Amino acid sequence: EVQLVESGGGLVQPGGSLRLSCAVFGFTFSSHAMSWVRQAPGKGLEWVSGTTGSGGTTYYADSVKGRFTISRDNSKNTLYLQMNSLRAEDTAVYYCAKALLWSELDYWGQGTLVTVSS
Amino acid sequence: QSVLTQPPSASGTPGQRVTISCSGSSSNIGSNTVNWYQQLPGTAPKLLIYSNYQRPSGVPDRFSGSKSGTSASLAISGLQAEDEADYYCAAWDDSLNAYVFGIGTKVTVL
Repeated sequence: EVQLVESGGGLVQPGGSLRLSCAVFGFTFSSHAMSWVRQAPGKGLEWVSGTTGSGGTTYYADSVKGRFTISRDNSKNTLYLQMNSLRAEDTAVYYCAKALLWSELDYWGQGTLVTVSS
Repeated sequence: QSVLTQPPSASGTPGQRVTISCSGSSSNIGSNTVNWYQQLPGTAPKLLIYSNYQRPSGVPDRFSGSKSGTSASLAISGLQAEDEADYYCAAWDDSLNAYVFGIGTKVTVL
């Protein structure tokens, strides 16, 4: 059974950093692209970042470029999102998602809440 | 504001057919496939339609997708109470080098 389990969310002050993790189970992790998608309270979905199966190619939304870094450890079946210089507008539930091929996000985690506030 | 335009809401009575539109441009829908996601209240999104019209295993055939040019649509036939949810279209955008979502359409079953 495919499972994605996010962790690492919490309360952080503006300007602070946080690293999210997404542990995956039930599929060959290295064979699939992965993405992070966030949802601010009461708002819609916003894609944050994506990476290929090898981790060799990464993409970012303009809103996080230069502040966030996506990475993966295929030996640990884990996806990461390093978030630096956090702003209030980064407050959201962050989901990790597995891609069927590239952009078809066919499995999602339960999400982890990140709150940026002083 | 999103590069993909969806109506904020749609509604219908049980058994009716509801259609949700998604309008984009040549850099996203015009040159890439469209995916649709369903998000029930308080839950993570679920892939409903991929590659314009393909249904993942387990998705009822009441849900169908189509694409023409720079627009796409999702149709729900035989609307059921359990279909009350937010629906998002999404596509890769070659100009932004990013995956873009529509604002979402809240479907209400009257």
